[in-house]
Amino acid sequence: DTEVTQTPKHLVMGMTNKKSLKCEQHMGHRAMYWYKQKAKKPPELMFVYSYEKLSINESVPSRFSPECPNSSLLNLHLHALQPEDSALYLCASSQGDARAYEQYFGPGTRLTVT
Amino acid sequence: DAKTTQPNSMESNEEEPVHLPCNHSTISGTDYIHWYRQLPSQGPEYVIHGLTSNVNNRMASLAIAEDRKSSTLILHRATLRDAAVYYCILRPYGSSNTGKLIFGQGTTLQVKP
Repeated sequence: DTEVTQTPKHLVMGMTNKKSLKCEQHMGHRAMYWYKQKAKKPPELMFVYSYEKLSINESVPSRFSPECPNSSLLNLHLHALQPEDSALYLCASSQGDARAYEQYFGPGTRLTVT
Repeated sequence: DAKTTQPNSMESNEEEPVHLPCNHSTISGTDYIHWYRQLPSQGPEYVIHGLTSNVNNRMASLAIAEDRKSSTLILHRATLRDAAVYYCILRPYGSSNTGKLIFGQGTTLQVKP
């Protein structure tokens, strides 16, 4: 099974709402990632978790709060977002965070902030 | 960080081979070369990666120039399903780079029936 699942598929939220995105993998991978992708642009790395610890934060605003409760699960908590945060949010996982390992991506959550 | 340069777009005919070029003239000796693709409305998908030698897998082949300043992704028989954006990505050594996958603009491949 090489699947990364993400829920929900679509999310519409107001600027004062709090919501969470969920990502799950059952491949035994120890590294997990969040990316953001705006329309017609390449994905941009947001966070890297390695062995359930945050190892990279690419200067992401604090209104995005990642959480890795266990090695299979990755959450992205959203609070007080802006309309410009509307994008496709992609989760990925890999066997480890070393550069020889390929990353497996989920289908993404399409987020609209109104 | 070393940068990659790819053509913005390419066209291919179905069932013909496709050669997707990538220039990375400032590559360092320890940078891995990775290729991913993103089909419409899907997340990116790993295709292949290599360091110095040419690599083959069930999806594609990766040909790396002897001086490593360029590489070519080869799809042996393009199908309509191969229409996607193809990204050539360098993965450098270093603790600050661990885990990072930095996407460039990629090449949009169109496959004509």
